[in-house]
Amino acid sequence: KNEVEQSPQNLTAQEGEFITINCSYSVGISALHWLQQHPGGGIVSLFMLSSGKKKHGRLIATINIQEKHSSLHITASHPRDSAVYICAVDSNYGGSQGNLIFGKGTKLSVKP
Amino acid sequence: DAGVIQSPRHEVTEMGQEVTLRCKPISGHNSLFWYRQTMMRGLELLIYFNNNVPIDDSGMPEDRFSAKMPNASFSTLKIQPSEPRDSAVYFCASSLRYTQYFGPGTRLTVL
Repeated sequence: KNEVEQSPQNLTAQEGEFITINCSYSVGISALHWLQQHPGGGIVSLFMLSSGKKKHGRLIATINIQEKHSSLHITASHPRDSAVYICAVDSNYGGSQGNLIFGKGTKLSVKP
Repeated sequence: DAGVIQSPRHEVTEMGQEVTLRCKPISGHNSLFWYRQTMMRGLELLIYFNNNVPIDDSGMPEDRFSAKMPNASFSTLKIQPSEPRDSAVYFCASSLRYTQYFGPGTRLTVL
């Protein structure tokens, strides 16, 4: 069983729809990251969170430490949001960064 | 800032040849990470350095892989000898605290 599981694997949405991508993990973590990989292959860090909720523009990330679950929400989705969204957990304690364990990613396609 | 710089962007080589991938982290960052991405396995950490010192190399597949960071502004990942199963995209990332900044990747094809 993978230590980081994402769902769904693939997601197709119509422009304007509200989108949710889920991430569950089985290890203790110090932080969880959401990454976006563009169709061209570049990877961008969207969020790093260890508790609660963070918002950046139309993107919202939440985490529930007790349930070992995080969600990434996209409001008013747009075709330019089409990308692979990757969840990664940092299992190093003490606040130090280090070894990220990645989910397999969720491929999002937003149709106009 | 130019971001994380990787070279080459594409590399095609034949089985058995030595391959060297290069990375220049963002100035001032103290941690550097090498990742490999394949369709089958997704993203995997190979090795990471903190203040130029290798901290965790448990992800390095085997002795054919080696990584160095001789100074704060340069790192190499070497594969010798290369094999077709090494074909992948290799990413380098750097960070100062928690957020990692990824380079554009090197697409390696071993024939």
